[in-house]
Amino acid sequence: AQTVTQSQPEMSVQEAETVTLSCTYDTSESDYYLFWYKQPPSRQMILVIRQEAYKQQNATENRFSVNFQKAAKSFSLKISDSQLGDAAMYFCAYRLLYGGSQGNLIFGKGTKLSVKP
Amino acid sequence: EAGVAQSPRYKIIEKRQSVAFWCNPISGHATLYWYQQILGQGPKLLIQFQNNGVVDDSQLPKDRFSAERLKGVDSTLKIQPAKLEDSAVYLCASSLSNLRNTEAFFGQGTRLTVV
Repeated sequence: AQTVTQSQPEMSVQEAETVTLSCTYDTSESDYYLFWYKQPPSRQMILVIRQEAYKQQNATENRFSVNFQKAAKSFSLKISDSQLGDAAMYFCAYRLLYGGSQGNLIFGKGTKLSVKP
Repeated sequence: EAGVAQSPRYKIIEKRQSVAFWCNPISGHATLYWYQQILGQGPKLLIQFQNNGVVDDSQLPKDRFSAERLKGVDSTLKIQPAKLEDSAVYLCASSLSNLRNTEAFFGQGTRLTVV
């Protein structure tokens, strides 16, 4: 069974600085997707960035980028030039692409990010 | 484009009572998911629908939880009778399909407190 582990329950960053959130996962599959979601107090999950496992190039979305290490099963999120609006819970998620549970997301426990002005 | 709508936003009930949550997915989305998010944890899938058929309900506690998606559009999730450990946020998500290149969009969830 696939598992996702986020080892940092809380992180803090100064506004305008850079922070990296860690995620490791376990799977026997070779083809899958990985995601980072942001969950503000409104509770709505917002997609931050997506990585397809067969792509070697790390995904980037403006100030957000990932470091995807497939062999190590590691998937970290880097937030550059942190803004006050980045404060939220961040969840790493693995998406099943095959089988009866195709499409389902398996989430880590989350990392609470605080941004200091 | 309207997002995934859920109601109610909050619900407080006593244990052993019943409760129902409603979800209206994005128009045209064939796949609908219900997730349970217990405080301090990530969401966990309860059930996945493809149109009005159940694709995966392996983690749904079927002795007390039920869900339906009539006509392949709106969905309701029911708990009867509720237990204290059912206190959680219940998130609904939808996507065009469950194929690889589709994105899941989430609603704002219903926060359930069982006392």
